[in-house]
Amino acid sequence: DSGVTQTPKHLITATGQRVTLRCSPRSGDLSVYWYQQSLDQGLQFLIQYYNGEERAKGNILERFSAQQFPDLHSELNLSSLELGDSALYFCASSVGDWTDTQYFGPGTRLTVL
Amino acid sequence: GIQVEQSPPDLILQEGANSTLRCNFSDSVNNLQWFHQNPWGQLINLFYIPSGTKQNGRLSATTVATERYSLLYISSSQTTDSGVYFCAVETPGGSYIPTFGRGTSLIVHP
Repeated sequence: DSGVTQTPKHLITATGQRVTLRCSPRSGDLSVYWYQQSLDQGLQFLIQYYNGEERAKGNILERFSAQQFPDLHSELNLSSLELGDSALYFCASSVGDWTDTQYFGPGTRLTVL
Repeated sequence: GIQVEQSPPDLILQEGANSTLRCNFSDSVNNLQWFHQNPWGQLINLFYIPSGTKQNGRLSATTVATERYSLLYISSSQTTDSGVYFCAVETPGGSYIPTFGRGTSLIVHP
């Protein structure tokens, strides 16, 4: 158990819908990272937050947004969903910035029908 | 953008064997990390290794940044080493924006 929790574990929804994925980092970790893993694209970095502020932005679509709240949990919002958004979404956390070891949650499997 | 190639794509070993996984990248990098994803999908960050050599138990990694490659060594492999190994590199620029390779899938048979 990495100490990082993600909810829900599975999510099935329809095209055009909006969903919210939630991540709770390990106690004391200030950074949260979001990744997407799909068969087509492989593993892709989406976005990093550090202590509530956006720190780095990767291949995150405009339809996607994220935030980190004062209690350091984070949410990833995916809107106007398309079939191609079906993927595993991982959250990770680290004590400080990206040179620290990242601890991954179990992931949320999103299926868009 | 930077290209990251991992080899071999697939590897099958008997327990106790040693192996070397390779990660080649096409441009200068600030950072390189190795990750392991077990057969149940759990990801583990193994090493942060922009240069030099690091060891963690039976695993060690070496990055030669000037020659644009990194190697992950697994000694005395165990069935629990099975899974996919990914490397990820970050190009200079100040922010954490890693590019992942497609991974090496390792199966260790008892």
